[in-house]
Amino acid sequence: EPEVTQTPSHQVTQMGQEVILRCVPISNHLYFYWYRQILGQKVEFLVSFYNNEISEKSEIFDDQFSVERPDGSNFTLKIRSTKLEDSAMYFCASSELGAIGNTIYFGEGSWLTVV
Amino acid sequence: TQLLEQSPQFLSIQEGENLTVYCNSSSVFSSLQWYRQEPGEGPVLLVTVVTGGEVKKLKRLTFQFGDARKDSSLHITAAQPGDTGLYLCAGPKTSGSRLTFGEGTQLTVNP
Repeated sequence: EPEVTQTPSHQVTQMGQEVILRCVPISNHLYFYWYRQILGQKVEFLVSFYNNEISEKSEIFDDQFSVERPDGSNFTLKIRSTKLEDSAMYFCASSELGAIGNTIYFGEGSWLTVV
Repeated sequence: TQLLEQSPQFLSIQEGENLTVYCNSSSVFSSLQWYRQEPGEGPVLLVTVVTGGEVKKLKRLTFQFGDARKDSSLHITAAQPGDTGLYLCAGPKTSGSRLTFGEGTQLTVNP
């Protein structure tokens, strides 16, 4: 069964360092997303991406964050200068069409620890 | 802001018991999705409900979407230890692409 895959599964980084989280969405999907979940808190939307551009972003997704689809298969989330509060599980997700009425499939997550 | 409130927050039951968890909002959702999440893993989709009043069954799990599309419930019959996990409801805004998640119900089924 097709699935969203993410790497790395776990990364520890020093505060101020840049981090890139990678995702391979399901191949025929057109919409891509990043969500995050701080330990013990709810899953929060960061950004959605369609047709090679950001379609929506949350207030969390500030100038420190960027997304890119560098080739036909990968979708990346870059955090330019990590802060302690960026420590969270980051989930990539994809859907065939937009979120309304359509199923969004999540990857296993990348656990980011900022020290 | 469209909020989804789930209840109860925690539920611990014995194997074989039945249970219902709820997902409520003051806003209308075009659809709602139920996910189950294990510790350290991503949410795994269980079902999507789209039509008001819709009932979907997945083995021992029964999902219902409220007539007004503001609430949903998940009923598990004869719970098993393998049902243990965090159950999340989520729905998209009526316009736009983001999913709003509830806080989840942490279910523990004891053997």
